[in-house]
Formats: sequence, structure tokens, C-alpha cells
Amino acid sequence: AQSVTQLGSHVSVSEGALVLLRCNYSSSVPPYLFWYVQYPNQGLQLLLKYTSAATLVKGINGFEAEFKKSETSFHLTKPSAHMSDAAEYFCAVRHPNTGNQFYFGTGTSLTVIP
Amino acid sequence: EPEVTQTPSHQVTQMGQEVILRCVPISNHLYFYWYRQILGQKVEFLVSFYNNEISEKSEIFDDQFSVERPDGSNFTLKIRSTKLEDSAMYFCASSGAAGAASGANVLTFGAGSRLTVL
Repeated sequence: AQSVTQLGSHVSVSEGALVLLRCNYSSSVPPYLFWYVQYPNQGLQLLLKYTSAATLVKGINGFEAEFKKSETSFHLTKPSAHMSDAAEYFCAVRHPNTGNQFYFGTGTSLTVIP
Repeated sequence: EPEVTQTPSHQVTQMGQEVILRCVPISNHLYFYWYRQILGQKVEFLVSFYNNEISEKSEIFDDQFSVERPDGSNFTLKIRSTKLEDSAMYFCASSGAAGAASGANVLTFGAGSRLTVL
């Protein structure tokens, strides 16, 4: 079975500080991994994805994530937080060969303090 | 940028009533999904649909739920007799075929339909 675990349901950072949102996956084979962002009262938007190409993936709005097989992790980072980054962030996993279901983590709510 | 559109954006209904949530997926996508998000909780998979039939469904997707693609463009979720615990945001999503170009593996979500059951 596949799943993702997001450590920390709430993360607060100061404006300009480093953002680090953690995601660990459980899968028998290297999966496809995704980060989605949900702004208040909106749907989910894709931030970035890992699909077995480069392990360091750059996404929109200055976010990036690194796939580390040895740590089964796909943590999301941004060097300098902006007020507009305040949102809910979801990590998701999908097995490349078994169905098309995405499994989402429980989400991490990011607060940016001015 | 192609979009997944959902209607209505918000529906309020009485317990026991039938509800139909509508979605128009991206036109060249082949897989269609419904997810739900109860307030403050994670996004939960309900069902996926491919080639005019359900390909996967979760335990949440019981006999009260059904999906349909009636006319080749709309993709609907019906809840036959709503319960209080059905109150949630329901998201429709679509994607291209697995194994295709990497961009096709992405789920594109609609903005959601908020269902409130009283």
C-alpha cells in the first residue's frame, strides 16, 4: 500500500525565513510524488511533481522539493517565505503502474508571520 | 490553461435529499475522479472513472454514491440520500492516461463544490 506522511500539521515561519514542509512516503517501488497547494476557499493547485527524472524538482512560486530515496522523503522548501505563501500544502503519492489513484497526506497549514 | 469546472460552488440541502454535483473535466483527459475534504481534514479519494466505468473506489463510496458521464463532457457525482456527515467540499479532478508523457500524470482539480447538509 502506498501512503504519505506529513510531519507537522501546522508550521509557522517569519516572512523571509526558510520554509520546510516535510513529506515521507511509503511505497514498494519509487513512486510519482506531488505537492499541491490549497489557498483559502480554493481548489488544489499543483506546485511541483517528481516523476523519476531529476531528483531536485523546481515548482511554481519559488518552491522546490528533493526526492531522497534513501530517506523515502520528498520535503518541500522555499528559501524565503512570502506572506502570500500562507496556505494548506498537501503531499501526494501515485504508483506509476498500479491504477491512477493519488494518495494525499493530511496536509500542513503554513502560516507566515510578518 | 485548461480548467476543470465544477457546479454548483455551494449547495445547501436537507438530510435525506438527493444531490448531484457536476464537473466538466479537461476535454482530452481520460481519467476522472471525485475527492472530498471534510472541514479541517485531509483530502480523501472517493472514486475514479475510466472508459465509462468505475476503475477504483474507496470504502467511503458506498451505495449512496454514484457517478456518471452522461454526455461525454459532464462527469457527475450523485448522493442519493444525504446524511449530515456528507457535508464536505467535493473536488472533481481529471488526468491523462498513465504511462503517457509525464505531464499527463498530473491531477488537475476543480475549485470544488461545498455541500452543506442540514
